[in-house]
Amino acid sequence: QSVLTQPPSVSGAPGQRVTISCTGSSSNIGAGFAVHWYQQLPGAAPKLLISANSDRPSGVPDRFSGSKSGTSASLAITGLQAEDEADYYCQSFDSSRNWVFGGGTKLTVL
Amino acid sequence: EVQLVESGGALEQPGGSLRLSCAASGFTFSSYEMSWVRQAPGKGLEWVSYISSSGRNTFYADSVKGRFTISRDNAKNSLFLQMKSLRAEDTAVYYCARVETTFMDVWGKGTTVTVSS
Repeated sequence: QSVLTQPPSVSGAPGQRVTISCTGSSSNIGAGFAVHWYQQLPGAAPKLLISANSDRPSGVPDRFSGSKSGTSASLAITGLQAEDEADYYCQSFDSSRNWVFGGGTKLTVL
Repeated sequence: EVQLVESGGALEQPGGSLRLSCAASGFTFSSYEMSWVRQAPGKGLEWVSYISSSGRNTFYADSVKGRFTISRDNAKNSLFLQMKSLRAEDTAVYYCARVETTFMDVWGKGTTVTVSS
């Protein structure tokens, strides 16, 4: 059972907008620690997608955006494309000095 | 090009030991904190261990505390994970990752550890 809770799966048609939620607690997200998002394409290593709640690293399309509020965070993907089909993980830091991940969300592009 | 390349993964019996390595290139390794993250087959990501840039500070997930030891050799741009008393539940792909504040901005391709008799 992961410290951060994500829906196991989401889906959307090409061009649509989808969101992935990430729910934590007062010891991690709610304590003020930033939330980061990673994309893992099939058979590949994870790749940083969003850092510090809403910052996009160089090269990440602006179709991807992140937000945080209270003990939760969200990743939004607009203009869904077939190449976005992947697993997405949120990650934060816990007051017990642990890096914590969500269980991952599988995005299916219909 | 910034790159991390893991090695050392293998098939090992329960109770055995393995030492993973991660070779860093393309950046000033000694200036960065580093971590190991693992992913069991068909499962999500699990943080395993962290080491400060100097190697002076280390942290571990409860699941590996007392069995795994993280270390680094800044002169050789290398990160290590010594794993002892291996269990079936340690079976996973192990990723080496560069740490930037509280996130991991560069990842290696991973090395596979299988613990089975």
